[in-house]
Amino acid sequence: QAVLTQPSSLSASPGASASLTCTLRSGINVGTYRIYWYQQKPGSPPQYLLRYKSDSDKQQGSGVPSRFSGSKDASANAGILLISGLQSEDEADYYCLIWHSSAVVFGGGTKLTVL
Amino acid sequence: EVQLVESGGGLVKPGGSLRLSCAASGFTFSSCNMNWVRQAPGKGLEWVSSISSSSSYIYYAESVKGRFTISRDNAKNSLYLQMNSLRAEDTAVYYCGRAEDAYSHGVDYWGQGTLVTVSS
Repeated sequence: QAVLTQPSSLSASPGASASLTCTLRSGINVGTYRIYWYQQKPGSPPQYLLRYKSDSDKQQGSGVPSRFSGSKDASANAGILLISGLQSEDEADYYCLIWHSSAVVFGGGTKLTVL
Repeated sequence: EVQLVESGGGLVKPGGSLRLSCAASGFTFSSCNMNWVRQAPGKGLEWVSSISSSSSYIYYAESVKGRFTISRDNAKNSLYLQMNSLRAEDTAVYYCGRAEDAYSHGVDYWGQGTLVTVSS
């Protein structure tokens, strides 16, 4: 089982909200990790969006709109990237990252379609 | 402004070697951990290696351990990746990524990437 699992795809309508999940493998407690989120558009490097551990330990990337926010669902053992007021330009691949067992671990990525 | 500029990619035959470089500017390089991350064509992001700010701690993905060597020169604000015994599956865009400080490992700034193609 992968350390981080992301749904491969998600679709949402313009103006709506999208909740992207990053589920940690059983036995790895989401509460102890900073979860980083990235957006990547075709042909471009990833862009750092934010990191979230708790409401007192979080950081928004430079220039990243506040409609991108992070949270956790402890019951699902998952990190969440919430994108509100979806725009066509939000269509992209989204990746999560944690530092686990002396290694950087990426989720497999979610392709967000805005239609 | 934080800038990371990778160089050194290219076409190499299986079993060959390449050395990638990443020139950093716009921040105190010696205060930040650094990473190499790669992305094979049409695939997701894959972490390759990390090095601490003072080079005291070095980490590798299992897929490259024993073949790749990460290093840095804080006097030159530069990060390096020596890649030996290259395989077709090492073909990817290689990104240099900065961690926000000496205590973090998540990337907060990325370079534009350099393409490495391993093919005969």
